[in-house]
Amino acid sequence: DVKVTQSSRYLVKRTGEKVFLECVQDMDHENMFWYRQDPGLGLRLIYFSYDVKMKEKGDIPEGYSVSREKKERFSLILESASTNQTSMYLCASSGAGQRVNYGYTFGSGTRLTVV
Amino acid sequence: RKEVEQDPGPFNVPEGATVAFNCTYSNSASQSFFWYRQDCRKEPKLLMSVYSSGNEDGRFTAQLNRASQYISLLIRDSKLSDSATYLCVVSRTGFQKLVFGTGTRLLVSP
Repeated sequence: DVKVTQSSRYLVKRTGEKVFLECVQDMDHENMFWYRQDPGLGLRLIYFSYDVKMKEKGDIPEGYSVSREKKERFSLILESASTNQTSMYLCASSGAGQRVNYGYTFGSGTRLTVV
Repeated sequence: RKEVEQDPGPFNVPEGATVAFNCTYSNSASQSFFWYRQDCRKEPKLLMSVYSSGNEDGRFTAQLNRASQYISLLIRDSKLSDSATYLCVVSRTGFQKLVFGTGTRLLVSP
């Protein structure tokens, strides 16, 4: 089975801190994604990556950055955490080719609280 | 207008009942369609892909109507363990990005 592992299940950080969320997948997938999920708003795409060192903005990239130095690892960075970034963060990966999408596999999520 | 719209529910049904969810999408160029299941405080998990010809997986049947841009999920003989939120998911142009509906909550009672 594909495994997507997120480094922390729960995090509490202070306003203004720089926060790193780590995600690792073990199936040699090209595509990796970061979403946040909030009640009533569903999952919203923050950033994604199709390849090492490649990144593209999703729908809500403001206040976030990402890093993909190795194929298996995709990091989400909150440059200066704010209370409105309190959320569930979900990492996903996909090995889909150019014209077919087989769906994503998600990590178990990181529930971040910014105080 | 949201890209993917679902009735949030909750749908309350007794065990053994048949229940159906619909979802509409706005991007006519979408090529891939899925239903995901999400349990409370857990990550979404792929339930099934949805194909133009319709497809079945045990008690679950998915249908796609491209002309009307809607997707359906039918669950027969509901089990208590089917209680969850069901997310309708479609791809954006470019195939790799998926857009998630906000989900329909199902509660199956004894």
